[in-house]
Amino acid sequence: LAKTTQPISMDSYEGQEVNITCSHNNIATNDYITWYQQFPSQGPRFIIQGYKTKVTNEVASLFIPADRKSSTLSLPRVSLSDTAVYYCLVGPNQGGKLIFGQGTELSVKP
Amino acid sequence: EPEVTQTPSHQVTQMGQEVILRCVPISNHLYFYWYRQILGQKVEFLVSFYNNEISEKSEIFDDQFSVERPDGSNFTLKIRSTKLEDSAMYFCASTRSVAGSGNTIYFGEGSWLTVV
Repeated sequence: LAKTTQPISMDSYEGQEVNITCSHNNIATNDYITWYQQFPSQGPRFIIQGYKTKVTNEVASLFIPADRKSSTLSLPRVSLSDTAVYYCLVGPNQGGKLIFGQGTELSVKP
Repeated sequence: EPEVTQTPSHQVTQMGQEVILRCVPISNHLYFYWYRQILGQKVEFLVSFYNNEISEKSEIFDDQFSVERPDGSNFTLKIRSTKLEDSAMYFCASTRSVAGSGNTIYFGEGSWLTVV
């Protein structure tokens, strides 16, 4: 499974756009990129998933360059409730496991 | 929105006792997982289960752990003889995993196990 590298922590203020970049240099052809959010004492919550180019849903956007060796999660206009740990995961489809790294601890301040 | 449900939300048990953690995966999902997270540490994969058998397990998942799908809806994790170091949050997860699409795994809210 491809290893991922992301910043350990980030700080932001309410209303700002936050971009968290993840490196995955060894991504395989059939790997998808998935981001999860986790609040303390809760299960990881799926945010967004993509394979290439740009994906957008109601909560975030995911930018994936052509070489797919990195990806950027973009959270528009964060609020205090977006304070959480964000995980970038790379893995195969068809029921394969996902391996979590340390994640990025995002702290949103008023 | 369908969700993975887990019971109990919190269990305290004495060292050496058997514990069963229960999960109801999302109804049309085919792959099931257990993960755990020790306080302050990262989420760790334990085991995946497909077609009524274990498809993959980690080195954490030793002989004291077992999984079962006793009926069409429940998926259980049994710890035969608990140790202090088994204290953790245990997450059940599931995915439908349609061919040609990404593997979106949905997690439950967790069962917090405290071994004393």
